[in-house]
Amino acid sequence: DQQVKQNSPSLSVQEGRISILNCDYTNSMFDYFLWYKKYPAEGPTFLISISSIKDKNEDGRFTVFLNKSAKHLSLHIVPSQPGDSAVYFCAASAGTYKYIFGTGTRLKVLA
Amino acid sequence: EAGVTQFPSHSVIEKGQTVTLRCDPISGHDNLYWYRRVMGKEIKFLLHFVKESKQDESGMPNNRFLAERTGGTYSTLKVQPAELEDSGVYFCASSLTGPYGYTFGSGTRLTVV
Repeated sequence: DQQVKQNSPSLSVQEGRISILNCDYTNSMFDYFLWYKKYPAEGPTFLISISSIKDKNEDGRFTVFLNKSAKHLSLHIVPSQPGDSAVYFCAASAGTYKYIFGTGTRLKVLA
Repeated sequence: EAGVTQFPSHSVIEKGQTVTLRCDPISGHDNLYWYRRVMGKEIKFLLHFVKESKQDESGMPNNRFLAERTGGTYSTLKVQPAELEDSGVYFCASSLTGPYGYTFGSGTRLTVV
């Protein structure tokens, strides 16, 4: 049973526009959420995180929103750039060192 | 600062053979993790070391997998004997303190034929 779900396997966005990647979770014990970006033949790279006590965290072009009542988080990238083309993984933890990852969303930013 | 290094980057072995993957964490990082991604699915937790001690090995699939971290530095993950379903990309990660955004290596792509 998958506790973290990324229902969109892929997403295409024009350069300069907003990219919105979504993630749903089922475990109400999750208290920390992260987004990782992965390029081919490389390991995942930490992008941004959010604690469950917040509903928004911003870092430059990247903003993560958390809606605890809906058990939903999203990553907004504004403006999107071709270099943002990668697979994005949502992950969550429940007060432990173990992350539960989603299956990833492949983002393609079109020039 | 050197990142997390994994060897080899690729390995192709026959079913029934033994393979050993190695991970060198970032120097000074006490926490070391192994994860696996199979066939484009989610990245799944295998285990977590704190120094040389296994803190959580709840994700290890079965007793064909053996992880060690002698001296609390590098770690090895041995698969013996390998089965077809063990194919995937094995990632190692490390962190200094806390679980907040640890650093991954580039992974070892294991193919069992």
